[in-house]
Amino acid sequence: EAGVTQFPSHSVIEKGQTVTLRCDPISGHDNLYWYRRVMGKEIKFLLHFVKESKQDESGMPNNRFLAERTGGTYSTLKVQPAELEDSGVYFCASSLTSGIYNEQFFGPGTRLTVL
Amino acid sequence: RKEVEQDPGPFNVPEGATVAFNCTYSNSASQSFFWYRQDCRKEPKLLMSVYSSGNEDGRFTAQLNRASQYISLLIRDSKLSDSATYLCVVNKYGNKLVFGAGTILRVKS
Repeated sequence: EAGVTQFPSHSVIEKGQTVTLRCDPISGHDNLYWYRRVMGKEIKFLLHFVKESKQDESGMPNNRFLAERTGGTYSTLKVQPAELEDSGVYFCASSLTSGIYNEQFFGPGTRLTVL
Repeated sequence: RKEVEQDPGPFNVPEGATVAFNCTYSNSASQSFFWYRQDCRKEPKLLMSVYSSGNEDGRFTAQLNRASQYISLLIRDSKLSDSATYLCVVNKYGNKLVFGAGTILRVKS
């Protein structure tokens, strides 16, 4: 069974540019999550989709970040315009179930560098 | 105070040793707990889920103490391949995972 995939694996952009990250969850997983790790910090939650609906976007840092999951399959996370502090590793995860006992499986991440 | 606290290590142990990590969490309402393993520049991989008092899987044992709000991970008969960062993770509000900063383990021959 294929795991969570993410594209691109690395992205280097200049401040002010736009970047779009993509995540394909494990087939059949309705729950999709975005997390981020910035240098020297813990991995932090950004948001949670159930199918195409945003269930919780409390971790989104500001309105420069836009996540979508049209059709309830893959998801994109757009950063526009990118700032230096957006650099980090963006992980996507998916789970079959939701709730407190859900087990989340992570993709390899996209390493974003904003210059 | 961080929501999930771990000793960053590193823990340097010889092959075959037993090593234990502790993790404390601040929110007593937390419901479920996980240990993830992360290799350098890779994604976190789920190692164990801890829903009740503990869980055992081969050489790995996780224990939960709700009264003291800590979770432990015990690794017996350490292998070189166990070298990694071990992340303590708490599910606080249903779907949002809260991560600790991780504990580095280095197993040496």
